[in-house]
Amino acid sequence: ETGVTQTPRHLVMGMTNKKSLKCEQHLGHNAMYWYKQSAKKPLELMFVYSLEERVENNSVPSRFSPECPNSSHLFLHLHTLQPEDSALYLCASSHDRQGWQPQHFGDGTRLSIL
Amino acid sequence: SQKIEQNSEALNIQEGKTATLTCNYTNYSPAYLQWYRQDPGRGPVFLLLIRENEKEKRKERLKVTFDTTLKQSLFHITASQPADSATYLCAPGGFSGNTPLVFGKGTRLSVIA
Repeated sequence: ETGVTQTPRHLVMGMTNKKSLKCEQHLGHNAMYWYKQSAKKPLELMFVYSLEERVENNSVPSRFSPECPNSSHLFLHLHTLQPEDSALYLCASSHDRQGWQPQHFGDGTRLSIL
Repeated sequence: SQKIEQNSEALNIQEGKTATLTCNYTNYSPAYLQWYRQDPGRGPVFLLLIRENEKEKRKERLKVTFDTTLKQSLFHITASQPADSATYLCAPGGFSGNTPLVFGKGTRLSVIA
């Protein structure tokens, strides 16, 4: 039990579909993150939320749209994705957004774009 | 630009030996460095944090060193076991304020029985 739960674990979608990834943490943390992990590449930070406010957006294409309705839940809304968006999408949380705080990761959503 | 290099993509060692993984960074001075373990199909799991004023940190069979002169961190697993087989990620951070962690590509360790 990692404390961070991501659903679905696997997702296959066409380029014209709209889907959402969900992340839930039960650790009482105030910061949440979305990362993209592709083969042979390091983890790429996409978005950071602190106390439900987006504080980082690392030049992510607008076809990825995050939402943080409360401190326990984080969503990543997907629309008109491209084949190169196929990857493992990881959600993480930490006590706050001070960088030294350890991050707790979910097991990710494996996304495949047809 | 900031650059992180982990010594090799893959490292194979014999059970019982000490595994040593290297993390080098250039073009910045992190205030701390974190190490994570990632198993196939799972998210990374935090292992250890070491700060710039600490030379060494230990946790059970794990030892991390941090040499700010060499711009390098070494991660050791003593008396390695097949269950230690995983990918290990280093993540320097703390360059300024709340700057998020930057992760290396990782080293895949295989401990052979």
